[in-house]
Amino acid sequence: KQEVTQIPAALSVPEGENLVLNCSFTDSAIYNLQWFRQDPGKGLTSLLLIQSSQREQTSGRLNASLDKSSGRSTLYIAASQPGDSATYLCAAHWDTSGTYKYIFGTGTRLKVLA
Amino acid sequence: DADVTQTPRNRITKTGKRIMLECSQTKGHDRMYWYRQDPGLGLRLIYYSFDVKDINKGEISDGYSVSRQAQAKFSLSLESAIPNQTALYFCATSSFAGGGTQYFGPGTRLTVL
Repeated sequence: KQEVTQIPAALSVPEGENLVLNCSFTDSAIYNLQWFRQDPGKGLTSLLLIQSSQREQTSGRLNASLDKSSGRSTLYIAASQPGDSATYLCAAHWDTSGTYKYIFGTGTRLKVLA
Repeated sequence: DADVTQTPRNRITKTGKRIMLECSQTKGHDRMYWYRQDPGLGLRLIYYSFDVKDINKGEISDGYSVSRQAQAKFSLSLESAIPNQTALYFCATSSFAGGGTQYFGPGTRLTVL
């Protein structure tokens, strides 16, 4: 059974710190993995998508990596700011023999302190 | 204007009522999805559609049905709502050509009393 886990569930850091959010998944036959940001009471905003053939993707201060063999993805946030405070979700996509699965982790709630 | 819109944004209803949640998109995407989000459980896929004639059950389809009226419209129905269907519901879209990035609507908060 495919599962996605995010640890820790919550994280507080001082402004300016570099930080890493973790996402683990079972079944290395992943199709792609996507990172999202969710603000309280709001929808999800796509941050980065990594295809199974890629090792990492970068957008501004964000860098996401993918290691299929170990079943891990990380989201690196450089020089964190209070505006980065939100819940960060990862979602893994499997598409095996016509069976489509898109499984979300339960998220890491990030608070960046000014 | 938002690329993915959902109506209504909030709805309170009673047990046993039929409810329809609607989703429209202007992104021209072929694929559409319905999810529900519950505290502590994350988002779970209810139904997905890869084109107008393609409807597939997701992880938790029991108690729900969907209709893909057009490429841009995908609606979710609760035939007889029950309290444990109280949740935040999200519609999302993606395109095969776009590599699979999913774009989400703002959500519908549904409360079943």
